[in-house]
Amino acid sequence: KAGVTQTPRYLIKTRGQQVTLSCSPISGHRSVSWYQQTPGQGLQFLFEYFSETQRNKGNFPGRFSGRQFSNSRSEMNVSTLELGDSALYLCASSLGATATNEKLFFGSGTQLSVL
Amino acid sequence: QQQVKQSPQSLIVQKGGISIINCAYENTAFDYFPWYQQFPGKGPALLIAIRPDVSEKKEGRFTISFNKSAKQFSLHIMDSQPGDSATYFCAARPNTGNQFYFGTGTSLTVIP
Repeated sequence: KAGVTQTPRYLIKTRGQQVTLSCSPISGHRSVSWYQQTPGQGLQFLFEYFSETQRNKGNFPGRFSGRQFSNSRSEMNVSTLELGDSALYLCASSLGATATNEKLFFGSGTQLSVL
Repeated sequence: QQQVKQSPQSLIVQKGGISIINCAYENTAFDYFPWYQQFPGKGPALLIAIRPDVSEKKEGRFTISFNKSAKQFSLHIMDSQPGDSATYFCAARPNTGNQFYFGTGTSLTVIP
């Protein structure tokens, strides 16, 4: 079974630009979550999509948005980029069940650098 | 505000030794506590997880100890190996949704 695929692997943008990141979950997984990873901060939850609907949202500004398609693939968009948005953006897929022991499977991430 | 506090930030252990990483939380709504292992250039991978109705869970050389009253849990790596050198994250998930809160990570180096 193929794992979680994130594209692109690296991105370099300048302040003010916008960026779109893509994530293809494991086949059969209906939930896709996005996390921002920065040194010293760990992983911060951005949002979760399940069956094309945003089900949970973290404490990030509205510049960060996402969507999920009918095939469970997800995209994340960041508009008006700031220097502080430089980070590794991780996508995680899961079955999406409400079971307590829901397991997250992460992709390798997209490393975004904002200059 | 960091909902899951993790220590130490870095850890150096001799091969064959025991590595111990600690985490603490405040939110009593947390009901699932996984540990993730991350190698450079890779995403985190689930290592082991525990629910609060169990005080200890062991899988091979990895053990989670859970103290519900103290709101603390820890990862013990027995007989640490150089291949265990990675960054380890503890996490917690509330019973209200599929949103995980992660610690800030511990960089483990196992010296041969």
